[in-house]
Amino acid sequence: RKEVEQDPGPFNVPEGATVAFNCTYSNSASQSFFWYRQDCRKEPKLLMSVYSSGNEDGRFTAQLNRASQYISLLIRDSKLSDSATYLCVVMDTGRRALTFGSGTRLQVQP
Amino acid sequence: GAVVSQHPSWVICKSGTSVKIECRSLDFQATTMFWYRQFPKQSLMLMATSNEGSKATYEQGVEKDKFLINHASLTLSTLTVTSAHPEDSSFYICSAIGTGGGGITQYFGPGTRLTVL
Repeated sequence: RKEVEQDPGPFNVPEGATVAFNCTYSNSASQSFFWYRQDCRKEPKLLMSVYSSGNEDGRFTAQLNRASQYISLLIRDSKLSDSATYLCVVMDTGRRALTFGSGTRLQVQP
Repeated sequence: GAVVSQHPSWVICKSGTSVKIECRSLDFQATTMFWYRQFPKQSLMLMATSNEGSKATYEQGVEKDKFLINHASLTLSTLTVTSAHPEDSSFYICSAIGTGGGGITQYFGPGTRLTVL
């Protein structure tokens, strides 16, 4: 079983749509959680950290459920520029290395 | 924000040659850097943790004699792929721990695309 599992997609949505991505992780020792965005042939870039209380950054909302070991990302009012692969990432604070999910591909269409 | 550079950004080499990739933290000191590898349509996989002034810690299945890591200063870590073969062709990305985000934020370099012929 993979440590971090995501639906690979692709998710094809029209501009303006709301789309949600889910992720589960298996290591209960994971302490920090993130969503990264990766464009084709580029390095991943931090989109947002994920907190148990839930957090929002503009059109993006992230949620964490530690009991279920489940993380989500909601994107509202999708833009063409949101097209990318979204990576669910967890970190064991002790090691500080990141474990990446395989990513969910989003394609926003005009 | 913190910036991490990598050099070269891409390299093509013949099978059997060695390739050195540099990872630099440009405006901060990084006692810990990480090396990841990403094959097409796959996730980033941690190869090793590079600690300044000490030996790197390799993940299971990563050959330490093939992937030599040197972290000789607080701003530079190097990864040398020795005797590279076509199966080593991949996207190699480094990251460094910065002081933002409570000391756990990782900043990624732009990656090095290695093609071994």
